[in-house]
Amino acid sequence: DAKTTQPNSMESNEEEPVHLPCNHSTISGTDYIHWYRQLPSQGPEYVIHGLTSNVNNRMASLAIAEDRKSSTLILHRATLRDAAVYYCILRGFYGQNFVFGPGTRLSVLP
Amino acid sequence: GAVVSQHPSRVICKSGTSVKIECRSLDFQATTMFWYRQFPKQSLMLMATSNEGSKATYEQGVEKDKFLINHASLTLSTLTVTSAHPEDSSFYICSAIPSGGRQETQYFGPGTRLLVL
Repeated sequence: DAKTTQPNSMESNEEEPVHLPCNHSTISGTDYIHWYRQLPSQGPEYVIHGLTSNVNNRMASLAIAEDRKSSTLILHRATLRDAAVYYCILRGFYGQNFVFGPGTRLSVLP
Repeated sequence: GAVVSQHPSRVICKSGTSVKIECRSLDFQATTMFWYRQFPKQSLMLMATSNEGSKATYEQGVEKDKFLINHASLTLSTLTVTSAHPEDSSFYICSAIPSGGRQETQYFGPGTRLLVL
């Protein structure tokens, strides 16, 4: 599975939008872009995933660059409960395990 | 939907004893489950891939005789840490891929914190 690069940490103010970037320049045509987040002392939680088109769900939006070499997870209004480590992971449709990088630690300031 | 549970959520044991951790997919069947380990301030590291009805596949550096994995049904995988030592203290997390249907997403359990004294 191709590698992703994310900033180590980011800060946001409560109730403001947050844009979490992810670079994946070696992505293959069959790789899905997944985002998970991990709150302290919990297992990773699914956030969103996509292949080519932008995706929206109740938790977040995923904006995928036209060349698919980068993507951005958008939290529309950050809350204190959104403070977590966010992982951007690539995986083929029938791929096996996810390879976790260090992720981005998001801090939300009240 | 797509809930994965783990039991126990935390366990403390003495050095030299064995500990069993259960991972269950509650509302779906999972042919494949994964076991990860996470040390403090670090990311998740895959330990092994568990396939129902067959032997687990271990990642390089993970001792298969120490970390016994059994995936006897489509909803249950167990990880047994045998002869546990303090360096095995960690956060153990399982995940599962639903059989059939959407294959591209994994669902993770809440994790089991193991402390070996």
